[in-house]
Amino acid sequence: NAGVTQTPKFRVLKTGQSMTLLCAQDMNHEYMYWYRQDPGMGLRLIHYSVGEGTTAKGEVPDGYNVSRLKKQNFLLGLESAAPSQTSVYFCASSYGGLGGDTQYFGPGTRLTVL
Amino acid sequence: GESVGLHLPTLSVQEGDNSIINCAYSNSASDYFIWYKQESGKGPQFIIDIRSNMDKRQGQRVTVLLNKTVKHLSLQIAATQPGDSAVYFCAENRAGGTSYGKLTFGQGTILTVHP
Repeated sequence: NAGVTQTPKFRVLKTGQSMTLLCAQDMNHEYMYWYRQDPGMGLRLIHYSVGEGTTAKGEVPDGYNVSRLKKQNFLLGLESAAPSQTSVYFCASSYGGLGGDTQYFGPGTRLTVL
Repeated sequence: GESVGLHLPTLSVQEGDNSIINCAYSNSASDYFIWYKQESGKGPQFIIDIRSNMDKRQGQRVTVLLNKTVKHLSLQIAATQPGDSAVYFCAENRAGGTSYGKLTFGQGTILTVHP
């Protein structure tokens, strides 16, 4: 049982390039989330999904897109990377959302945009 | 509530001491709270949670206290060990209605345990 995994672990992009971050979970969780973490700050929610085929905006969605084609995978896309998107990205999943189920986090992807 | 800043609160303790990490929240509708531990280079790890119908919950070496009157949450770590050194985040969750369970994180507190 690997829990939540993320690929890649590190990535450097030039401004304007695109990329996709992959998150996978093997816990059969319905809910999945993408966060970003910047120095000195807590995690901020980018997008989330309450089930396969559904996505919704979080707190800081601009510049990102997501897809949840399979229950176990949640993809985060950057169509045209900007230096402001330099951050550490964390994926999380939970069994349910209502009532406050515990979210389990992946190890993170460190992205640098030059 | 949200905090913005580049300088995290810090707490330094000696090995074996008890540690208390505090967190204030702003949303009186929040009814579920979680403490996470984040070690350098890793994702947040669940420590303990508490629902708003409780004011205290104990785990292994950790206790969470909730004071809804002043909207304050604390994490107590007994007999702190060097392996407890990490950044600790509180998170609040406003459940129910259209709020599916989204977590709002505090900015974190750096705990350093000296041998």
